[in-house]
Amino acid sequence: LAKTTQPISMDSYEGQEVNITCSHNNIATNDYITWYQQFPSQGPRFIIQGYKTKVTNEVASLFIPADRKSSTLSLPRVSLSDTAVYYCLGSHGSSNTGKLIFGQGTTLQVKP
Amino acid sequence: NAGVTQTPKFQVLKTGQSMTLQCAQDMNHEYMSWYRQDPGMGLRLIHYSVGAGITDQGEVPNGYNVSRSTTEDFPLRLLSAAPSQTSVYFCASSYTGGLNTEAFFGQGTRLTVV
Repeated sequence: LAKTTQPISMDSYEGQEVNITCSHNNIATNDYITWYQQFPSQGPRFIIQGYKTKVTNEVASLFIPADRKSSTLSLPRVSLSDTAVYYCLGSHGSSNTGKLIFGQGTTLQVKP
Repeated sequence: NAGVTQTPKFQVLKTGQSMTLQCAQDMNHEYMSWYRQDPGMGLRLIHYSVGAGITDQGEVPNGYNVSRSTTEDFPLRLLSAAPSQTSVYFCASSYTGGLNTEAFFGQGTRLTVV
């Protein structure tokens, strides 16, 4: 599973777009990039997953360049309720065992 | 659907006591796993299972046992609790298949060992 590196913390203001970048230099051919969100006192929640190029859902967008050594989670127009820890994970697509390896994540603080 | 249900939500143990943290899912997921999260840290994998009767160790398995007799349940046993096991424990389940690796997490069990 790919080892990932992301900033420890980020600050933003309501209404701004937030981009969190994750580095995964040793990503394997079969690895997907998955992002989870965790609120205090809750379990992590799946946000988005991608393999390459761009993926968008109702919550966020995920940009993965052609070399796949990094990815960027984009949160449009954040609100106070987006304050949480965001985790970037690498996971096997074709040999999924349910194992997830978490790093420290990025603590996003959204200010009014 | 209830999703992933963990019990109890809170527990205080004395050093040396044993207990079982319960985890049940109603989504017919084959894969289940246990994680612990210490303050300010990410989650660390304790044990995982890819199906009934099959379990394996994760990053921090020492002091914990698991079994998987049914698809729905994946209990975590603390054999002899130690203060170092004070943590929040999360159970997760996920669907089999190559593309969809979304994991669903329970609400957690906050364990304090005194």
